[in-house]
Amino acid sequence: SQQGEEDPQALSIQEGENATMNCSYKTSINNLQWYRQNSGRGLVHLILIRSNEREKHSGRLRVTLDTSKKSSSLLITASRAADTASYFCAYGIGDMRFGAGTRLTVKP
Amino acid sequence: DAGVIQSPRHEVTEMGQEVTLRCKPISGHDYLFWYRQTMMRGLELLIYFNNNVPIDDSGMPEDRFSAKMPNASFSTLKIQPSEPRDSAVYFCASSLSQGYGYTFGSGTRLTVV
Repeated sequence: SQQGEEDPQALSIQEGENATMNCSYKTSINNLQWYRQNSGRGLVHLILIRSNEREKHSGRLRVTLDTSKKSSSLLITASRAADTASYFCAYGIGDMRFGAGTRLTVKP
Repeated sequence: DAGVIQSPRHEVTEMGQEVTLRCKPISGHDYLFWYRQTMMRGLELLIYFNNNVPIDDSGMPEDRFSAKMPNASFSTLKIQPSEPRDSAVYFCASSLSQGYGYTFGSGTRLTVV
């Protein structure tokens, strides 16, 4: 039931570098959300951006949304080893559908 | 609040057996969702409820799957009979309302042998 794509599928960076993940979707949305999942755990909500917003910040996270291109990006600045996880975008109206995720590895 | 509580954390069962997964959402959350996660298919929405009423069950794979929400603090997902292809991690999530983030439980890892 996945209706979107995330890229890259996997990303490996050094601690201190920035990580950028992209999400594309096909449906109409009223908001788009990003989640983190550590191995063997449930998903944790990171940030929500509404369809009438273009950019949002939360700590080291920056999310952009381009509804004309049906795409979003998540930027994690000054990454840390603890940021190693899978990151998912979720989008929709009412019920949210999830992308395939980006597996981020931050090397110390 | 203790968050969304799922039980059991792990379940190993034999093919053909009935499996019941349980979920306690966050108090005051009006929406409850059941997702299934596999390596091949990622996160799939199975069904969701609003104020205890099933809204969309189009993601339920087969008639072997059923879900109930008898009250605001409890939901079950039942598989009868179970098959090896049902092996996955099943997540329950709740949300305050539309347009709010979801709080996920820790999941139930189901293995059908």
